[in-house]
Amino acid sequence: DTGVSQDPRHKITKRGQNVTFRCDPISEHNRLYWYRQTLGQGPEFLTYFQNEAQLEKSRLLSDRFSAERPKGSFSTLEIQRTEQGDSAMYLCASSSTQLGNQETQYFGPGTRLLVL
Amino acid sequence: GQNIDQPTEMTATEGAIVQINCTYQTSGFNGLFWYQQHAGEAPTFLSYNVLDGLEEKGRFSSFLSRSKGYSYLLLKELQMKDSASYLCAVRDNTDKLIFGTGTRLQVFP
Repeated sequence: DTGVSQDPRHKITKRGQNVTFRCDPISEHNRLYWYRQTLGQGPEFLTYFQNEAQLEKSRLLSDRFSAERPKGSFSTLEIQRTEQGDSAMYLCASSSTQLGNQETQYFGPGTRLLVL
Repeated sequence: GQNIDQPTEMTATEGAIVQINCTYQTSGFNGLFWYQQHAGEAPTFLSYNVLDGLEEKGRFSSFLSRSKGYSYLLLKELQMKDSASYLCAVRDNTDKLIFGTGTRLQVFP
């Protein structure tokens, strides 16, 4: 257990429905990252926050995806009008910039999404 | 572009040594990470290199050559529980991680 938690752990939804995932980072970590991983692939970067500011978004993140970190603590990732291609494991990671170059991202257990 | 290459699969015997190679071409470089990932679980941090050379942590060591865009993870005294995927990742100049596809290692008795 890295101290990063995600909820729910599993989600099954029908195509066209909206889903929202939550990530709670390690409490003293100021950075929070979202990645997506499909079977047999490494994680792909989606977006990240430093405190409450969203610093970067991947081109993978279509306008159906939105992420927030309103108080600089937990974050939510929402997918609107889900498609079957959205089926994946959604991973959250957190890190602290206080370590400078030693900054290491610690991953949560992930939310596995299946879109039927 | 961003490109990280590592072998798809490797097999080894319990008690042996295995070396997993990783080559990278990225738009920026702020360090290279190795993560272990068991099936259905999240990646767990193993090692980090930002300067050239070898970093040793118990049974695991990681090497980096920045001029060659090359790293390897060395696992010694293999145990059955080491059967997992090993992910090579580069932190780019905006601090996000760029991952390879991972190397699935199977350890046999």
